Amino acid sequence: QVQLVESGGGVVQPGRSLRLSCTASGFTFSSHAIHWVRQAPGKGLEWVALIWYDGSNKYYADSVKGRFTVSRDNSKNTLFLQMNSLRVEDTAVYYCARDWVTPVVSRAFDLWGRGTLVTVSS
Amino acid sequence: SYVLTQPPSVSVAPGQTARITCGGDNIGGKSVHWYQQKPGQAPVLVVYDDSGRPSGIPERFSGSNSGSTASLTITRVEAGDEADYSCQVWDSNSDRLFGGGTKLTVL
Repeated sequence: QVQLVESGGGVVQPGRSLRLSCTASGFTFSSHAIHWVRQAPGKGLEWVALIWYDGSNKYYADSVKGRFTVSRDNSKNTLFLQMNSLRVEDTAVYYCARDWVTPVVSRAFDLWGRGTLVTVSS
Repeated sequence: SYVLTQPPSVSVAPGQTARITCGGDNIGGKSVHWYQQKPGQAPVLVVYDDSGRPSGIPERFSGSNSGSTASLTITRVEAGDEADYSCQVWDSNSDRLFGGGTKLTVL
């Protein structure tokens, strides 16, 4: 079954750290770039980070740059998001999403996980 | 950064046609993708590159894009189409890739 499954969410205090995981199955994980996208309660989707298929390039939203680090272990079909110095405004459901370069060379997200909830609260 | 504007909500009766808009500066010059998100479920790509339809997506879902507005059109709306719909572009110079989302209510 082709799927992405996130894990590692929970409740954490401001300033603390958390590491999320995203495990892929049913497709060749090492051939695909993967994104992290989040959604705060009652808000729209927000792109967080992108890592290339081989981990050679990484890109971050300004809102998380310097605090979050994306990485991957292709031998374990797993993506990670290390989140440091967490803020209340980082509270959201975090999704991993597979990157797809479309026929007109745009980027879309063609496979998503169900997400994992991160709550930052004192 | 680039801003995409969607109406918060759209309501339509079963069997009618729903049109969800996504506004942006010269969005007609960009490629727009649309996602359907039902509560507790993973988002699903329903339209790509303005009007393409991924495998498995019903023909009732279509898209268009011109000028300052992109649109997702759902014909013969069913109760199962009730969901949040978000537009998305890819702009390497902007973090704001998604619209704010539109809640489609089937009356």
